[in-house]
Amino acid sequence: DTEVTQTPKHLVMGMTNKKSLKCEQHMGHRAMYWYKQKAKKPPELMFVYSYEKLSINESVPSRFSPECPNSSLLNLHLHALQPEDSALYLCASSPDSVFGEQYFGPGTRLTVT
Amino acid sequence: QKEVEQNSGPLSVPEGAIASLNCTYSDRVSQSFFWYRQYSGKSPELIMSIYSNGDKEDGRFTAQLNKASQYVSLLIRDSQPSDSATYLCAVIGTDKLIFGTGTRLQVFP
Repeated sequence: DTEVTQTPKHLVMGMTNKKSLKCEQHMGHRAMYWYKQKAKKPPELMFVYSYEKLSINESVPSRFSPECPNSSLLNLHLHALQPEDSALYLCASSPDSVFGEQYFGPGTRLTVT
Repeated sequence: QKEVEQNSGPLSVPEGAIASLNCTYSDRVSQSFFWYRQYSGKSPELIMSIYSNGDKEDGRFTAQLNKASQYVSLLIRDSQPSDSATYLCAVIGTDKLIFGTGTRLQVFP
């Protein structure tokens, strides 16, 4: 089973809202990732958690705040976003580290109005 | 120089033909290479991984790696219209997965 789940599938939020994206995997993977993907572009790495600790932050603005409550869950808290933050947000996981095969969830389509 | 390069396409092939997708990378120390398929509006799906020089076959897919030439390719045999998608080449860099911009494949009946 290589399933990563993400909720919600779609999210529309205003620039003053606070919302959260959720990601879950039950494969026992120890590395989890957040990516952002704009139309016709490849996924762009935002954050990496390895063994529940934040190991990589790709200079992401503070209006995006990641959280890893346990080894199966990953959240992305959103606050005061801008319209240009509208994108497909992808969660991924890999068995051991950033050097392994990464499996993606279905993504959350975010629209900021 | 881009770290992972792919021809953006579209690559158009007739049904039943072999589709050949190519990728070059710049970091000589890279050891892990992946191909993802992404349908429009969907998330990337891992279809092949390759770590050693040579060919690796899985069903209709064959990945080829040449580390000396810093080149990795994906062959799709007996292409089907359902193979029409964007194919992303990805390479493990120093500390993260680096994607190419993808090649759009169109298989016409």
